[in-house]
Amino acid sequence: GENVEQHPSTLSVQEGDSAVIKCTYSDSASNYFPWYKQELGKRPQLIIDIRSNVGEKKDQRIAVTLNKTAKHFSLHITETQPEDSAVYFCAASIKASGGSNYKLTFGKGTLLTVNP
Amino acid sequence: GAVVSQHPSWVICKSGTSVKIECRSLDFQATTMFWYRQFPKQSLMLMATSNEGSKATYEQGVEKDKFLINHASLTLSTLTVTSAHPEDSSFYICSARGGGSGTGANVLTFGAGSRLTVL
Repeated sequence: GENVEQHPSTLSVQEGDSAVIKCTYSDSASNYFPWYKQELGKRPQLIIDIRSNVGEKKDQRIAVTLNKTAKHFSLHITETQPEDSAVYFCAASIKASGGSNYKLTFGKGTLLTVNP
Repeated sequence: GAVVSQHPSWVICKSGTSVKIECRSLDFQATTMFWYRQFPKQSLMLMATSNEGSKATYEQGVEKDKFLINHASLTLSTLTVTSAHPEDSSFYICSARGGGSGTGANVLTFGAGSRLTVL
């Protein structure tokens, strides 16, 4: 099955700096790559996602890049703010035939701390 | 946007009892719902996938007789932890995915999670 590796496990940056989290996946058939932000004791919130037909996607301070050949994708957060502090999870999934069912395999998470 | 309600948010029970957790999609029909377990400071581990009207598909290592999943309607899935023991204590989170092209389609929306403590 799919295996998703995520690095680093912890990341500490100064407010205003950029943060980059990287993930690799094993199954070349994976075609959907979402990123989730989870604050302590709360539900994961989708912050951005990318599909395999796109190499890069940006939403304000957040961007995701995908390299299908190398099977890795990255989350980039610019101008970080203290409220960006949370655990971030990458995930990968394969869309099953018919497009009606798929499941996510999550990375182990990255604890991002933005210091004021 | 898509909203998934999960209830209860926390529950404490005695060892040997059963606990039911509900997951509801409030503004869309969830063709597929997923149940995850999350230990402190760890990632989400998929337990099972449930499709409305059919049996759930369990991940390897997950006891289907222990974790009963029912997806009786397009808006409700339930997870019952049977004969709970202290090692079942965990944070359980559901997610739902809608079909078609409307609200909730093609993305996973998570419930708020249920923290189970078994004494």
